[in-house]
Amino acid sequence: QVQLVESGGGLVKPGGSLRLSCAASGFTFSDYYMSWIRQAPGKGLEWVSYISSSGSTIYYADSVKGRFTISRDNAKNSLYLQMNSLRAEDTAVYYCARSPGELLSSGFDYWGQGTLVTVSS
Amino acid sequence: DIQMTQSPSSLSASVGDRVTITCQASQDISNYLNWYQQKPGKAPKLLIYDASNLETGVPSRFSGSGSGTDFTFTISSLQPEDIATYYCQHLTFGGGTKVEIK
Repeated sequence: QVQLVESGGGLVKPGGSLRLSCAASGFTFSDYYMSWIRQAPGKGLEWVSYISSSGSTIYYADSVKGRFTISRDNAKNSLYLQMNSLRAEDTAVYYCARSPGELLSSGFDYWGQGTLVTVSS
Repeated sequence: DIQMTQSPSSLSASVGDRVTITCQASQDISNYLNWYQQKPGKAPKLLIYDASNLETGVPSRFSGSGSGTDFTFTISSLQPEDIATYYCQHLTFGGGTKVEIK
């Protein structure tokens, strides 16, 4: 069955960096577009970044552009999110999610359990 | 950027009631609209894709309709296990609707 397992979250000081990972299994990872989506405590969902199946097409939300970098390793069935210059407002549960199609509007049919990132001094 | 406006932000209904949530896009998005259910402490779950298509395994009491800028999500007969927050999504997500039992 499809499984997405995030890791790498934790407590980091403002201005610090963190790298999230998402291990995928149960499907052909290299065939699917993937995204990171976050949810601040008690708030709604915010799409963060999106990467095509080959890694050649990448999009970012304006709120993270220039600070976050999405990448993938299809040989390792893994998705990554490098987060730099972290701010308090980046505090959230970060989910990786699979897209069934090539458009962001295709939606997200499988989600991981999430990993909590807390930015605080 | 296309904005998604979801309403109401919360609602309270009785078991067996028909529940309707609306989502309005700031411009025409055809039928590119998805609906999710999120229970407390859990990841969201895709219920409806492309405005009206039921994801595999989702109960038929859930339905979606609409195209262009105006969309509707309906639970035909609210069940206790439907207590959750529901989100619409095009590129970005709507603000969410928290559904509670009266």
